[in-house]
Amino acid sequence: GAGVSQTPSNKVTEKGKYVELRCDPISGHTALYWYRQSLGQGPEFLIYFQGTGAADDSGLPNDRFFAVRPEGSVSTLKIQRTERGDSAVYLCASSLIGTSGVNEQFFGPGTRLTVL
Amino acid sequence: KQEVTQIPAALSVPEGENLVLNCSFTDSAIYNLQWFRQDPGKGLTSLLLIQSSQREQTSGRLNASLDKSSGRSTLYIAASQPGDSATYLCAASIQGAQKLVFGQGTRLTINP
Repeated sequence: GAGVSQTPSNKVTEKGKYVELRCDPISGHTALYWYRQSLGQGPEFLIYFQGTGAADDSGLPNDRFFAVRPEGSVSTLKIQRTERGDSAVYLCASSLIGTSGVNEQFFGPGTRLTVL
Repeated sequence: KQEVTQIPAALSVPEGENLVLNCSFTDSAIYNLQWFRQDPGKGLTSLLLIQSSQREQTSGRLNASLDKSSGRSTLYIAASQPGDSATYLCAASIQGAQKLVFGQGTRLTINP
């Protein structure tokens, strides 16, 4: 597709449930990022993939959060035992890191997660 | 640790005015600085990216500058229009890291 896509656009779940959020990056982009945005705040970094491997997962808040990118394209963010504090918009971005080092990140529309 | 601050949190100006949005960062070992626009309930749209070796970038009515020594970037919007109303976010990456660190954004309202 032309841009980054994310599904679902909205997800409502109950406390304690498991959720999966999906991201389809721009075709050919080797780098993929997950961020989380709370109301009125800027996005906060969660994890970054270069190819299939997680190059930086320093932003994952705890071990309930996990992300995969098994074939180096689509990524899934997985949240176990959801808590009300996990409610936020989860944003995915992708980029093509050039030889000059330019790393312009392009964002998807986000998934709004609400934990009741 | 890189920290990014945007002041003011909100700004309201009449249509047609030129305006400047401010962004400050703490770590001068900046790699890229990127400005985004976010409309309510939407994702982020990339506006401009400035590499650490550059001083400014221009796109249409937008001009972004970068001063590493003072830890500041500005986004200049010329001849503002109601359609420019949105939240503007700046984000910085530092040497050796690809993640972006965001400011909290400036919510801009252009009044007709």
